[in-house]
Formats: sequence, C-alpha cells, structure tokens
Amino acid sequence: GAGVSQSPSNKVTEKGKDVELRCDPISGHTALYWYRQSLGQGLEFLIYFQGNSAPDKSGLPSDRFSAERTGGSVSTLTIQRTQQEDSAVYLCASSLAGYTGELFFGEGSRLTVL
Amino acid sequence: GESVGLHLPTLSVQEGDNSIINCAYSNSASDYFIWYKQESGKGPQFIIDIRSNMDKRQGQRVTVLLNKTVKHLSLQIAATQPGDSAVYFCAETENQAGTALIFGKGTTLSVSS
Repeated sequence: GAGVSQSPSNKVTEKGKDVELRCDPISGHTALYWYRQSLGQGLEFLIYFQGNSAPDKSGLPSDRFSAERTGGSVSTLTIQRTQQEDSAVYLCASSLAGYTGELFFGEGSRLTVL
Repeated sequence: GESVGLHLPTLSVQEGDNSIINCAYSNSASDYFIWYKQESGKGPQFIIDIRSNMDKRQGQRVTVLLNKTVKHLSLQIAATQPGDSAVYFCAETENQAGTALIFGKGTTLSVSS
C-alpha cells in the first residue's frame, strides 16, 4: 500500500485477554517503530526494528508486551493479559533506513481494555 | 530525567495570524529535533526538522528555531489557516543513528476564522 497500514483500527477486549496488533510498513522501509499514545499524552516509544539487527526493546513497559517482525516487513505487537492501563492508541511508523526523523505513521490501533 | 515538554497545552489564534509553539527539552545531548503535526484520528505527520548545528530552518510557511543554550525549540507558522488546527509535537533524539525518538506531550492549536 501507499502508507503504513495498521489493524485492527479499534479493539475492545476484556481485562486478562491477549491482543495482537498488526502493522504493515511502507514497502522498502527497513525501520519499523511502535509507539503508544494515551489520551492527552505524547507518544511513548515501545520498540524499534532495523533490518536484521536485534530490536531495541528498551521502551516496552513490561514483559506482557512483545513484538516481532517477520521477513523484515509485517510486525505484530502482542499484549498478554491486558490491563486497563494498556488502553491507548498504538501507533506504528516506518522509515527508509535507520533513523531519519521522518517517520511515516499509520493511523493507529485504538485499544480499549474493559 | 530526560524529557521533552511543551510550554502550553493549547493555543488559540485567528486565521491569518502567526502562531508560535514552544518546546523545552532537558537532554543536552540531543542533537536532532523534529516537529510533527497530528490531526484528529490520524497518525503524526512530519513537518520540519533541525540539527543541532543550526539555529534556524525554514520550510513552507513554517520556521523552526533552536536555542541550544536554553534548550528551547519553537515552531512558527505564518499566516495560520484553519487546516493548521491540530496537535503539534516536538521530538528529539541524541543522534540520528539512535533509536528512540522522544516526543513531548503536544500543543493543541485551534485556528478560528
């Protein structure tokens, strides 16, 4: 596609359930990022993938959060045993190589944990 | 700790006025700064960036000013239009080869006609 695609756009789940959020980056972009945006807040860095290098997981808030990127393209963010404080918009971004500043963001997946 | 923040959470201007959105950062090692615009229901969009070896950079209707002495960044929008209404975020990182782009909390710009 022409831009970063995320799915689902909205997800409502019950506390304790696992959720998976998907990101399709722009074709050819080797770098992929996940951010979390809580209501009225800035963007909180979660994880970064660059090519075949080991991902930078330094922003993941707990071991309930994990992400993988298969084949250097699609990425899945998994949240296990969801908590109410996990409710937020999860944004994925990609860029051409390494870090350029010009990240191209998807429209996000809004997660609501009841 | 390191943080990037904005001085005002909201800014209201009249169409045609110039807007100035401010940002303070605390990490003196930051050397690359970016402004993003986020419209309702959308992901942030890149507006303009500036490296620490510059103090001013101009784009189309936008200017970013960097004052490293006081660790302050500003975004100036000339002849503000209703379409400029959005949340504006400043972001910073220590180096371009790094990873985490640290975002501030955002300033909501409202433009009335």
